[in-house]
Amino acid sequence: QKEVEQNSGPLSVPEGAIASLNCTYSDRGSQSFFWYRQYSGKSPELIMFIYSNGDKEDGRFTAQLNKASQYVSLLIRDSQPSDSATYLCAVNLFSGGYNKLIFGAGTRLAVHP
Amino acid sequence: EAGVTQFPSHSVIEKGQTVTLRCDPISGHDNLYWYRRVMGKEIKFLLHFVKESKQDESGMPNNRFLAERTGGTYSTLKVQPAELEDSGVYFCASSSRTSGIYNEQFFGPGTRLTVL
Repeated sequence: QKEVEQNSGPLSVPEGAIASLNCTYSDRGSQSFFWYRQYSGKSPELIMFIYSNGDKEDGRFTAQLNKASQYVSLLIRDSQPSDSATYLCAVNLFSGGYNKLIFGAGTRLAVHP
Repeated sequence: EAGVTQFPSHSVIEKGQTVTLRCDPISGHDNLYWYRRVMGKEIKFLLHFVKESKQDESGMPNNRFLAERTGGTYSTLKVQPAELEDSGVYFCASSSRTSGIYNEQFFGPGTRLTVL
């Protein structure tokens, strides 16, 4: 079992719809979770992070965390073609007093006009 | 504020040669990380510096890889000798926080390494 799992996609949604990206993780002790967006050939760009159960909203983006189910998701409202990218879920592994990110393989999102 | 920068953006070398990648973190960030993405796989952690000290090298694949951060500013990652399986994109990230859950890491554009 991979430590962080994401559906590779592509997830295709029409412009203006809600895109829902999902991620599960195996380490029950994980405390913080990050969503990165990566356009082809570019650097991963931090969109949001979440560490408490529930929802966290930032503009058109909402991150959701359910630690009991070991599940984190990202909702993108009013999807735009410019949102088309690969979305990476990352879990912060805190070990020995220091942090490192464990990434999923990413979900490719395609928003079509 | 400048972001994380990496050099070169691309490198094509032959098996057995040596390559050195460079990363300049965001100014003032003590924490510097190296990650790697090989074709079709997820981004994987290589190592973590706090200032000039290596805190976690658990992701380094083997002793052909050597990372340094003299002076606690920029870092280099040397691969010597390079093998075919070393091909991939090498990312550098930096963070202002060493520990705790608010560990926002900011990534550079990566160096695409191709070993022929």
